[in-house]
Amino acid sequence: GESVGLHLPTLSVQEGDNSIINCAYSNSASDYFIWYKQESGKGPQFIIDIRSNMDKRQGQRVTVLLNKTVKHLSLQIAATQPGDSAVYFCASAWGGKLIFGQGTELSVKP
Amino acid sequence: EPEVTQTPSHQVTQMGQEVILRCVPISNHLYFYWYRQILGQKVEFLVSFYNNEISEKSEIFDDQFSVERPDGSNFTLKIRSTKLEDSAMYFCASRRQGASTNEKLFFGSGTQLSVL
Repeated sequence: GESVGLHLPTLSVQEGDNSIINCAYSNSASDYFIWYKQESGKGPQFIIDIRSNMDKRQGQRVTVLLNKTVKHLSLQIAATQPGDSAVYFCASAWGGKLIFGQGTELSVKP
Repeated sequence: EPEVTQTPSHQVTQMGQEVILRCVPISNHLYFYWYRQILGQKVEFLVSFYNNEISEKSEIFDDQFSVERPDGSNFTLKIRSTKLEDSAMYFCASRRQGASTNEKLFFGSGTQLSVL
């Protein structure tokens, strides 16, 4: 079945450094991918998305990279801030629904 | 910015009791979803709903679960006879109608269900 997974369950970075969160997916038919941020006690919040016809997309301080060959995507956060501390989920769209990965908890040290 | 709202934020119930979780999706959205997240685990798809009927449901969504759009604004999830393993955070989500199913979902803040 479809699965989406993350390489690391936790990531700790220094404030101001760049963060990279990785994700692998299994379904090569997935053509849409989203990164969500979840703060404690809140629902997933959309960060950035990318379609399979692209390999890179940039937002404000965030960049998503998609490597369809190895079925891998990553989220890069530039100049990480304390407010970036949260759990980050990747999700792939398949069959009209989102399949979420396990989540990586990002901690930003001041 | 419009948002999905869910009530209550916390629900405590006894095993075997019925619970109804309520959601108000974003007003111009037509696709509705329920997801759940057991503590420390990933967000899991339960059900999708469009045009007053279920579009798709997961294995989790068994006969104990039902969804309803009782009026033009609310979207509810009912669990008929709760079990201990139903304890989780339940998220409602919605998206606008689009040509593609690949439109981003907007999530509510969730209802934390605790079954005792």
